[in-house]
Amino acid sequence: AQTVTQSQPEMSVQEAETVTLSCTYDTSESNYYLFWYKQPPSRQMILVIRQEAYKQQNATENRFSVNFQKAAKSFSLKISDSQLGDTAMYFCAFMKHVKGGSEKLVFGKGTKLTVNP
Amino acid sequence: GAVVSQHPSWVICKSGTSVKIECRSLDFQATTMFWYRQFPKQSLMLMATSNEGSKATYEQGVEKDKFLINHASLTLSTLTVTSAHPEDSSFYICSARQGAPYEQYFGPGTRLTVT
Repeated sequence: AQTVTQSQPEMSVQEAETVTLSCTYDTSESNYYLFWYKQPPSRQMILVIRQEAYKQQNATENRFSVNFQKAAKSFSLKISDSQLGDTAMYFCAFMKHVKGGSEKLVFGKGTKLTVNP
Repeated sequence: GAVVSQHPSWVICKSGTSVKIECRSLDFQATTMFWYRQFPKQSLMLMATSNEGSKATYEQGVEKDKFLINHASLTLSTLTVTSAHPEDSSFYICSARQGAPYEQYFGPGTRLTVT
C-alpha cells in the first residue's frame, strides 16, 4: 500500500519570504502522480500543483514549485513570495496510475502553514 | 469550469435519523465520483468510489449499509448516512473526475453534526 508522510505538522513564514514543505512517499509503482492540495479555512480543497512521475522536469505554477526526487521518493513544495492568502493546510497526495481503473488519492496528514504579516 | 457543488453545506440531525448529502458536477459529466471523510484537524480518508450506473466500491472498514452511495446520473452522486450517531459527525467531501484520472475536482464539503 502506498503511504504519504508529511513530517512538518505546522510551519510559519513571514510575508514575502520563501518556505518549503516536505513530503515523502512510499510506493513500488513506477508510474504515478503526485499532488499538493491547499485547504484554506473555508475547507475547499484546491489543487496547487501536480507532478507526473515519468516527467523529470519539476512542475511549477507561478509562485509554487516542486522539487521531485524520484529515487529518494521525495516531493517538496516551495512557495516563493509568500502571501497572507497562502495561509492554509497543505496536503501532499499520491495517485497510482491505473488504466480505466478506479484511481485513488492517498493523502498525507497535512502541514498547517501560517503566513505572518 | 469544473465546478463541484455539495448540498447541504451544513446539517444537524438527531441520533437515529438518516441524512442525505448531494454532490453535483455543475459543468461537466463525471463518470466517477469519490466520497471522503475528514475529522477535525486530520487528513482526508477515502470512503468509497462511485461509478455512474453501478454499485459503489467501499474502502476497507467503511460500513456500506450505513453509508449508502448512489450515483444515479453523470452529474449527481448522493451519500446517505443511515441511522446516524454522534460518532458519524464529521466533514464529508466529494470529488468528481473529469476526463483524465488525475483531474479530480472537489466539492466544498458538508459538515454533519449528529446530536
